[in-house]
Amino acid sequence: DAGITQSPRHKVTETGTPVTLRCHQTENHRYMYWYRQDPGHGLRLIHYSYGVKDTDKGEVSDGYSVSRSKTEDFLLTLESATSSQTSVYFCAISGDYTEAFFGQGTRLTVV
Amino acid sequence: GQQLNQNPQSMFIQEGEDVSMNCTSSSIFNTWLWYKQDPGEGPVLLIALYKAGELTSNGRLTAQFGITRKDSFLNISASIPSDVGIYFCAGQLGQGAQKLVFGQGTRLTINP
Repeated sequence: DAGITQSPRHKVTETGTPVTLRCHQTENHRYMYWYRQDPGHGLRLIHYSYGVKDTDKGEVSDGYSVSRSKTEDFLLTLESATSSQTSVYFCAISGDYTEAFFGQGTRLTVV
Repeated sequence: GQQLNQNPQSMFIQEGEDVSMNCTSSSIFNTWLWYKQDPGEGPVLLIALYKAGELTSNGRLTAQFGITRKDSFLNISASIPSDVGIYFCAGQLGQGAQKLVFGQGTRLTINP
């Protein structure tokens, strides 16, 4: 594995509650990403970071925010979870000239 | 946004058969990547292609970067049960995975 840990691995939460997912890396890579995976859609980019405190939106960023206060940690927050945010979330990392490596995923269910 | 057309979406084969899948795009990419995802796990990189026309092997897997830079192919020879999973192609436009575009995946099922 490429030194990526996602937590929690599974979470069930209620509609309207805030949720934070954590991604931790030990590779000192510059780039970190959050994707969601849904049947029929493949992997879609939510947000990414290109350095500490440097983040940008991806294809499906509405309803999500991120923060990166340290190189090794990238947090994804759902301010007020909705059922449409039930999904499997993957964190990925990459260096300047390396391909993306993925974590094991977090399965989030919003009821 | 951009999309990759990955075909087929699913395959049901007998153990020992060869497998072929492909990805096509209306856009040009600088890099093509192939990932495999096992149930309950994250995608794992199988092969990376960096030049048009490039043919690269990784054991029983062979992938090619199309000459037009708009497509890529993955072949698996003599399939075995552990090849079961979902295979994703991804096209990369430039530096950084924020420019990665993924196909929708090919689900491979193998009958022993």
